[in-house]
Amino acid sequence: AQKVTQAQTEISVVEKEDVTLDCVYETRDTTYYLFWYKQPPSGELVFLIRRNSFDEQNEISGRYSWNFQKSTSSFNFTITASQVVDSAVYFCALSEDNYGQNFVFGPGTRLSVLP
Amino acid sequence: GAVVSQHPSRVICKSGTSVKIECRSLDFQATTMFWYRQFPKQSLMLMATSNEGSKATYEQGVEKDKFLINHASLTLSTLTVTSAHPEDSSFYICSARGEFTEAFFGQGTRLTVV
Repeated sequence: AQKVTQAQTEISVVEKEDVTLDCVYETRDTTYYLFWYKQPPSGELVFLIRRNSFDEQNEISGRYSWNFQKSTSSFNFTITASQVVDSAVYFCALSEDNYGQNFVFGPGTRLSVLP
Repeated sequence: GAVVSQHPSRVICKSGTSVKIECRSLDFQATTMFWYRQFPKQSLMLMATSNEGSKATYEQGVEKDKFLINHASLTLSTLTVTSAHPEDSSFYICSARGEFTEAFFGQGTRLTVV
């Protein structure tokens, strides 16, 4: 069975600090896709990144970066120089295909960035 | 990117009544739509998957007679919560995908049953 664990329930940081959100997944599939979504207080899910299981290259997008370690089944997300607008719940998710079929979401990590 | 519109964003209804939530794909044909439920401070749980023109597939533990899903066209799926009770109060969110497109999420609907 597929499972996504986000051990950090809530994190609080002060603005400009770096913060890493952990994600550990379980799957028996050899091909799978990992996602990160941001859910601000308004509720909608904002897509951040999709990564397939064959691409272990780390990715950087502005202040965001992702570290995919297949050996430890982890897909961690780092925000550099955090801002108050980064405050949200962040979900890591696992899917059996590239298009988000049958998402398995982690429990989410609530990030509060304090001014 | 593709847009999925969900309506209404908030709804309050009386216990025992039914409420319908719409999920529309605005600029692509959604061959598959998904309905999720999210309790406060919890993760999203998949309720059902619907393909256009066929019956929805419900996840274990989800009452199909309680949560009626209709996917009658390639741009619209509806979730009707029948005979709603306070325990049905939750955040409901849909996602839609085309044949070769990723899944896009709607804005969500916050249902409060009083």
